[in-house]
Amino acid sequence: LAKTTQPISMDSYEGQEVNITCSHNNIATNDYITWYQQFPSQGPRFIIQGYKTKVTNEVASLFIPADRKSSTLSLPRVSLSDTAVYYCLVGDALAPSNTGKLIFGQGTTLQVKP
Amino acid sequence: DAGVIQSPRHEVTEMGQEVTLRCKPISGHDYLFWYRQTMMRGLELLIYFNNNVPIDDSGMPEDRFSAKMPNASFSTLKIQPSEPRDSAVYFCASRAESYRTNTGELFFGEGSRLTVL
Repeated sequence: LAKTTQPISMDSYEGQEVNITCSHNNIATNDYITWYQQFPSQGPRFIIQGYKTKVTNEVASLFIPADRKSSTLSLPRVSLSDTAVYYCLVGDALAPSNTGKLIFGQGTTLQVKP
Repeated sequence: DAGVIQSPRHEVTEMGQEVTLRCKPISGHDYLFWYRQTMMRGLELLIYFNNNVPIDDSGMPEDRFSAKMPNASFSTLKIQPSEPRDSAVYFCASRAESYRTNTGELFFGEGSRLTVL
C-alpha cells in the first residue's frame, strides 16, 4: 500500500500559482495518482488523475516525474474560492475493490488570502 | 443528474437513539460507498455495495452499525443505539463500473453531520 506524504497546510494569495507536492516513494506499477478537493461542509470532489508525465484539465495540472515517487498538483492563479483541503491518493483507482485502499489522509489545507 | 443526495444534512440526537442516514446515488452507478469523517481519523470507508450487494463491510466499526441497499437508487446507514463517539460527518459516494470510467472517480454527496449528545 503506497503511503503518501503531503504538507499539512499552505498559504497563498489570490492570483498566485500554487504547487502542492505529494511524496509516494513506494508507488506500485498499477497505481495512479489522484487528487481530490474538499470544501468545508461538502464531500470531496475529484480534481485530476495521472499515471506519468503531465496531465492538464480545466482546473489544474498534475506533474509526475519519471520515477513517479512524487507528484505536484498545480493550481494556476488561485482565488479565494480555492480555499479547501486537497488530498493526494495513490492506488489502482480504476478497480472498485481497491477503493478502500485509497487513503484520503489529512490532506493539505490551502488557505488563499486576498 | 442531481448528484449523490444525502439526508438529513444535520442530525442531533441523544445517546441511545436510533439514527438512520439515507443516500440516493447517481443513476446508473454500480457502486455505493459509505464513509465517515472525523478530525481524528480523517475519511474512513465503512462499507461498499456493488449492484445493491454489500461487498466489503470490514470498515464498519461494530454491530451497532448496519447498512442496506434495497434497490439501485437508495441506501441507508443505521446506527442503533447511537453513542457520542459516533458523532461525525457521514458521506455517501457512488461510482461507475470500471469499463465505464477512465478514472474510477468517486462522486460524493454533501454529507450528513451527526451529533450524538
